[in-house]
Amino acid sequence: KQEVTQIPAALSVPEGENLVLNCSFTDSAIYNLQWFRQDPGKGLTSLLLIQSSQREQTSGRLNASLDKSSGRSTLYIAASQPGDSATYLCAVTTTSGTYKYIFGTGTRLKVLA
Amino acid sequence: SQTIHQWPATLVQPVGSPLSLECTVEGTSNPNLYWYRQAAGRGLQLLFYSVGIGQISSEVPQNLSASRPQDRQFILSSKKLLLSDSGFYLCAWISGGFTGELFFGEGSRLTVL
Repeated sequence: KQEVTQIPAALSVPEGENLVLNCSFTDSAIYNLQWFRQDPGKGLTSLLLIQSSQREQTSGRLNASLDKSSGRSTLYIAASQPGDSATYLCAVTTTSGTYKYIFGTGTRLKVLA
Repeated sequence: SQTIHQWPATLVQPVGSPLSLECTVEGTSNPNLYWYRQAAGRGLQLLFYSVGIGQISSEVPQNLSASRPQDRQFILSSKKLLLSDSGFYLCAWISGGFTGELFFGEGSRLTVL
């Protein structure tokens, strides 16, 4: 059974710092890995999608990498800003035939001005 | 462009009352649709998914049911709510088939008293 873990659960950093969020999964047989952002009381916003044949994706100050063999992904945020404060979740699609996205519990990020 | 709508945004219901949450997707046809629940302090739990009209797969046995009466409409229902049904309900759809990118609606917050 696929399990997704995100460490740390919470993170507080000063503005301008570069930071890395971690996501690990137990079954390397995945199709995609997707990173999301969730603001309090809101739905999830897609940040980056990495397909199984890819190693990384970039969007602005965000860079996500995927290492299927080790069951890990990282989300790198450059030059963090207070507006980056949110909960970040990763999710993987399984290859078990049901094509479901399995989510981690997220990392709550606070960027201090 | 594709959009996803959920309503109502907020709902307060007494124990034992019925529930109906609605989700519609615009700008696409035959989407794969999903209902997730996010309980306080916990990750996203997949409740139901649908690959077509009238086709519903249930992930967790519970007090809830789902229906897909039209191609782009997904409804979450209950005949009698329990306190444990409280949570944040999110509808989502995948673009590009099962292995595409997952997009979420804004969510419906349900409080059962």
